[in-house]
Amino acid sequence: DAGVTQSPTHLIKTRGQQVTLRCSPKSGHDTVSWYQQALGQGPQFIFQYYEEEERQRGNFPDRFSGHQFPNYSSELNVNALLLGDSALYLCASSLDTLFLYNLDTEAFFGQGTRLTVV
Amino acid sequence: AQRVTQPEKLLSVFKGAPVELKCNYSYSGSPELFWYVQYSRQRLQLLLRHISRESIKGFTADLNKGETSFHLKKPFAQEEDSAMYYCALTGPQGAQKLVFGQGTRLTINP
Repeated sequence: DAGVTQSPTHLIKTRGQQVTLRCSPKSGHDTVSWYQQALGQGPQFIFQYYEEEERQRGNFPDRFSGHQFPNYSSELNVNALLLGDSALYLCASSLDTLFLYNLDTEAFFGQGTRLTVV
Repeated sequence: AQRVTQPEKLLSVFKGAPVELKCNYSYSGSPELFWYVQYSRQRLQLLLRHISRESIKGFTADLNKGETSFHLKKPFAQEEDSAMYYCALTGPQGAQKLVFGQGTRLTINP
C-alpha cells in the first residue's frame, strides 16, 4: 500500500490562474480532507469529502472547491490564485465511523503539493 | 472556538535530558487530542492520541481537562527525536477535521 499519494509534488502558477491538485487515499479509506500549510504554520483545514460530497468546510473562500470520485480519490481546485495561496497543500485520508473514540479514525497524510504563486 | 496553542516555536535540549512540549487547547466539549510528528523530508504522521493511552517511542502525553493541556513528555531525549511536532484536536465523533497548533521544532543536541 503506497499510502496517501498526492500529485504534483511541486507547482508554480501565476496570479489569477487556476490550479488542480490531486489525492489518492490510503487503501480502504473513504474520507479525504484537505489542509493548507503556510510557511511556519500548522496545517489549516480546508474541507472534507465523504461519499462524494463536501461534509465539512473550514474558513476558506469559495475560490477553493473540491471533488471526490467514486474510487474515493479527490481533487482540490483553486481559482483566481493569489500570492497568499502559496503554501503546502496536504491531503489526509481516513475511515469514516460513527463510533465514538474509534481508534480506526486515524488520519494518514500525503507528502503534500508545494504550490508557489508568482 | 476551537484552538490549539503551542507556545514554543523552537525547543532545544541535550541528548539524555527530559523533554516537554507544551500544548494548550480551547474547545467546548470533549475533544480528542493528538500529537503529530514530521521528521525531516517525511510526511506528517500520528505519534500518539490520548484515547489509546500508549507510549510511543518513549513519549507520553496526559490530558489535563482542568488546565486544558496535553503536554508531550519524554524522560530521556534521543537525537532521532529531532523533528517538528504538532498538537491537534478534533471532535469526539468519527473522522472529523483536525485543528492544529503552530508546531514546535525540537532539536536534540548531541
